[in-house]
Amino acid sequence: GQSLEQPSEVTAVEGAIVQINCTYQTSGFYGLSWYQQHDGGAPTFLSYNGLDGLEETGRFSSFLSRSDSYGYLLLQELQMKDSASYFCAVITGAGGFKTIFGAGTRLFVKA
Amino acid sequence: EAQVTQNPRYLITVTGKKLTVTCSQNMNHEYMSWYRQDPGLGLRQIYYSMNVEVTDKGDVPEGYKVSRKEKRNFPLILESPSPNQTSLYFCASSGAGSNSPLHFGNGTRLTVT
Repeated sequence: GQSLEQPSEVTAVEGAIVQINCTYQTSGFYGLSWYQQHDGGAPTFLSYNGLDGLEETGRFSSFLSRSDSYGYLLLQELQMKDSASYFCAVITGAGGFKTIFGAGTRLFVKA
Repeated sequence: EAQVTQNPRYLITVTGKKLTVTCSQNMNHEYMSWYRQDPGLGLRQIYYSMNVEVTDKGDVPEGYKVSRKEKRNFPLILESPSPNQTSLYFCASSGAGSNSPLHFGNGTRLTVT
C-alpha cells in the first residue's frame, strides 16, 4: 500500500528552528511536496523536491532522500504566523500524477 | 486573478438528496482533483482528472461521481449523500508536470443529516 508518516504535533518558540519529518511508502514516486494550511483556510504550496537534496525558499527549506524514502521541512526564525498545519505529499505515477497527502503536522509557535 | 473557485462554501443537506459541488479554475490547468479533509486523516483524494473526459478514482471514491466535460470545470456529485460524507471538501488544480503545485479552492463544508 501507500502511506506517509509525519508527527501529529510539534511545538516550538518564536525565533527557533523546527524540523518536520516525513517518511513514505509509495509506488511510482515522482517527488515530495509540502503544503501549509492555516485554520479555516485552504492548503497552500510551500515546496517541491524531485531530486535528492535541499531546496531553500526564504525561511523554509525542504530536503529529500529518495533512497531512505524520507524528507523534511525545516522552518527557521519561527514566527507566530507559522502556527499552522503542514502536510507532506507524495506525487506518484500510479495511474497518473496522483498526489497523496500525509495526515499533517500541527505546529504551535509560542511566544 | 488566477484562482480555483468552489461553490457553495457551506452546504447542509439531508440523507439521499442529490447534490453537486462545483469547481472551476481559470489557469488552463490540465489536472484537477477532489479531496476530502477529516480530522486526523489529512487530505484524502476522491477523484482526479488528467484532462477533459479523463477521470480516475482516488483513494476514497465510493459514493462520489465526477465529470470533466470542459477543461475549466470539475464538479463533484453526490448522488445519494450519507452522514459519513459530512466533511470539508477541496478542489485543486495544477499544470501537467509532477513539480507543478496544486492550487486549492477555498473549500466546501458539507453536512449531511
